Amino acid sequence: GENVEQHPSTLSVQEGDSAVIKCTYSDSASNYFPWYKQELGKRPQLIIDIRSNVGEKKDQRIAVTLNKTAKHFSLHITETQPEDSAVYFCAASSFTSYDKVIFGPGTSLSVIP
Amino acid sequence: DVKVTQSSRYLVKRTGEKVFLECVQDMDHENMFWYRQDPGLGLRLIYFSYDVKMKEKGDIPEGYSVSREKKERFSLILESASTNQTSMYLCASSLSGTSETNTGELFFGEGSRLTVL
Repeated sequence: GENVEQHPSTLSVQEGDSAVIKCTYSDSASNYFPWYKQELGKRPQLIIDIRSNVGEKKDQRIAVTLNKTAKHFSLHITETQPEDSAVYFCAASSFTSYDKVIFGPGTSLSVIP
Repeated sequence: DVKVTQSSRYLVKRTGEKVFLECVQDMDHENMFWYRQDPGLGLRLIYFSYDVKMKEKGDIPEGYSVSREKKERFSLILESASTNQTSMYLCASSLSGTSETNTGELFFGEGSRLTVL
């Protein structure tokens, strides 16, 4: 089955700096890669996703890149703000009728004011 | 707004007890999932269901079972709770299939924190 690895497990950045989180996946059939953000005490929520037919996607300060050949994808947050502090999970899925989603172990991001 | 409701936010049970965790979604989603969240291990899939009365094992199904008698409700059952099942349990739902309008987004409940003594 699919296995998703994620690095680093913790990340501290100064406010205004950029943050990068990297993930790798094992199943070449995976074609959908979402990122979820979980603030302390809250439920995970989707912040951005990318499909395998696209190499990069951007939404304001966040962007995701995908390298299908190498089976890795990354989340980039620019101009970080204290409210970006959270745990971020990458995930991988292949669109069968079951839409099973497998998550990485998470990255705890701290943005220091 | 999609609403996924988990019936119990906090539970304390004793070893060997039978535990039911209930999850209800109101958006007519075909897919429902149970994840377990532990520090450093992320979200691990226990079971998922893609239709009424249908279920598939996830990565860590041992010690758990599920029930989906109605489309909106997905229950996680611990037949005989053990201390290593102390964890946060998250239910989620999503639309089935892929299209330009369906992102496959998972909508999570608020979680049920289970402590087994």
